[in-house]
Amino acid sequence: QVQLVESGGGVVQPGGSLRLSCAASGFSFSGYGMHWVRQAPGKGLEWVAYIRYDGSNKYYADSVMGRFTVSRDNSRNTLSLQMDSLSAEDTAVYYCAGTSNHYGEYWGQGTLVTVSP
Amino acid sequence: EIVMTQSPATLSVSPGERATLSCRASQSLSSNLAWYQQKPGQTPRLLIYGASTRATGIPARFSGSGSGTEFTLTISSLQSEDFAVYYCQHYNNWPPTWTFGQGTKVEIK
Repeated sequence: QVQLVESGGGVVQPGGSLRLSCAASGFSFSGYGMHWVRQAPGKGLEWVAYIRYDGSNKYYADSVMGRFTVSRDNSRNTLSLQMDSLSAEDTAVYYCAGTSNHYGEYWGQGTLVTVSP
Repeated sequence: EIVMTQSPATLSVSPGERATLSCRASQSLSSNLAWYQQKPGQTPRLLIYGASTRATGIPARFSGSGSGTEFTLTISSLQSEDFAVYYCQHYNNWPPTWTFGQGTKVEIK
């Protein structure tokens, strides 16, 4: 069955960096665009970033532009999100989601990132 | 930038009753609208895409309608497992960005 498993979350100090990973299985990862979506505690869903199936195009929300970098390794069925210059506003559960038709067909269970002194 | 506004913020409904959730876009979306269900501590679950097409395995009591700027998710007869938060989402074809509404919480009356 389809699985997306995020990892790499944890506690980091303001100004620090963290790298999230999303391991995909059960579907043709190399044929799917991938998104990152986050959810601050008790809040709604916020789109973060997108990477095309072949990695050739990447898009970011204004709130993370210049600080976050999305990448993928289709040979390892893995999606990554490098997060730099983190602030308290980045505290959230981060989900990866796969799409072949623009909407979010597959979602991971999320990994929690906490930015705190 | 498209803004998605959901109403009401909270909907109190008795089991077996009908629930109607609204989603309004600040500009026309055509039919690029999806609905998700999220239960506490769980990941979002795709219910509806293309404004009115049920995703695989979604019960027929869930239906979506609308186009342009006004969209509706209807749950015809609420079951206990349907009490959750529901999000509408605009998905842009290109660039492939997503915009979510702020969510509607469906709670037991």
